[in-house]
Amino acid sequence: QKEVEQNSGPLSVPEGAIASLNCTYSDRGSQSFFWYRQYSGKSPELIMSIYSNGDKEDGRFTAQLNKASQYVSLLIRDSQPSDSATYLCAVNPLASGYSTLTFGKGTMLLVSP
Amino acid sequence: SAVISQKPSRDICQRGTSLTIQCQVDSQVTMMFWYRQQPGQSLTLIATANQGSEATYESGFVIDKFPISRPNLTFSTLTVSNMSPEDSSIYLCSADRVGGHGYTFGSGTRLTVV
Repeated sequence: QKEVEQNSGPLSVPEGAIASLNCTYSDRGSQSFFWYRQYSGKSPELIMSIYSNGDKEDGRFTAQLNKASQYVSLLIRDSQPSDSATYLCAVNPLASGYSTLTFGKGTMLLVSP
Repeated sequence: SAVISQKPSRDICQRGTSLTIQCQVDSQVTMMFWYRQQPGQSLTLIATANQGSEATYESGFVIDKFPISRPNLTFSTLTVSNMSPEDSSIYLCSADRVGGHGYTFGSGTRLTVV
């Protein structure tokens, strides 16, 4: 059974700090990985995708992937109160094409002013 | 990326009745997905809907309870049938983005069964 594990949090960080969100997955054959942000009462919004080992940066966000350790993380630099949300990790067994995603339960991030 | 319009946004329904949720995508997509998200929980996939074929249901979900239609490449419906309070949840549709990399979600339907 494919599983995606995340610490439920909440993860509390002060404004301006780096928030580090972590995710592990059980299916060693997984190929593509996604981070979604979900504000309370809203639907998930895709913020990052990563397919290869290493780091991928997009603005204040950096996704990190280590397939050997079956570990993916999201770093948020210069955290803002508007970053307060639940962050969902999702894993796709395929590198491309169409397949279903397996979601973790999400980590709640609280950024205090 | 695809934009998905989902309706209704919320509803309160009597037990034993049915509700049909609609999702309209602004571009053609191959696969659409229906999820359920219960309070404080992550997303649980109900089924995958391909145009022109029967939906594929995940373990624990059956067609009689959650019939799905996918008449074309931009539209899908999910019906929650013979509802009970346990069906109270947020229902989300999702579609594959261009290139199949990650998925876009509709705004969700908050269902309360009384």
